[in-house]
Amino acid sequence: GENVEQHPSTLSVQEGDSAVIKCTYSDSASNYFPWYKQELGKRPQLIIDIRSNVGEKKDQRIAVTLNKTAKHFSLHITETQPEDSAVYFCAATGGFKTIFGAGTRLFVKA
Amino acid sequence: GAVVSQHPSRVICKSGTSVKIECRSLDFQATTMFWYRQFPKQSLMLMATSNEGSKATYEQGVEKDKFLINHASLTLSTLTVTSAHPEDSSFYICSAGAWGEDTEAFFGQGTRLTVV
Repeated sequence: GENVEQHPSTLSVQEGDSAVIKCTYSDSASNYFPWYKQELGKRPQLIIDIRSNVGEKKDQRIAVTLNKTAKHFSLHITETQPEDSAVYFCAATGGFKTIFGAGTRLFVKA
Repeated sequence: GAVVSQHPSRVICKSGTSVKIECRSLDFQATTMFWYRQFPKQSLMLMATSNEGSKATYEQGVEKDKFLINHASLTLSTLTVTSAHPEDSSFYICSAGAWGEDTEAFFGQGTRLTVV
C-alpha cells in the first residue's frame, strides 16, 4: 500500500541554524505534498505545501523541494527560532487520501 | 482556508460504553471525510474514508464494527467508538477534502478520548 517515510525522527538544532526534514513516498499517483506542524495537544496546522508540477516553493523562512522522479520531498527551515519547536509531519496526497509520515520532533535550543 | 469543526474536544467515558464524535465542514461541502487516530508521540494513522451516502472504507486492521462511521450529509460525518476499552484511548482527528484543483485536507480540532 501507500507509504510515506520521514527522517529524522528527532532533530535538535541551535537557534539560528537550519533544519532539514526529508520524506519519500511510494504512490506515484500522489500529486500534492503538504507539511504540517503540530504542537502538543493541538491539531496539525498546514505550514506549506507543494504540488507535483512544481520543484520548489518558498515562504519566508520555510521552503520545500520536490523530486518527483525520485519520489523525495524535503522541508527546509532557515534561521530557526524556539517557537519552531514542534512535531512536523510530511504527507502525500493522491485522490484526497492523505498518508502521513511518522513525524519529526524538532527541538530548537535557545 | 476552509473550516472543519470537530466535537467534542475531550471526552472521558467508562469502559464498555460508546462515544460519538462529530466532524462538520462549516463553509464547504465535503463528499469525503477522513478519520485518523494518533497515539502519543506517533503519527496520524488513517482509520477510514467516509463517503457521503455510502459505506465507509476502512483501512486494514481497523474494525468496522467497533468504529462506526456515518456520513449522512455533505457537511457531517460521525465516528462512534462502540464498547470502548482503555486501549481505544487516543487522539481522534477528522479531515475533510475539498474537490477541485486544491486537494488540501482541512483538519478538525481533534478529540482526546480517554476510556477509564
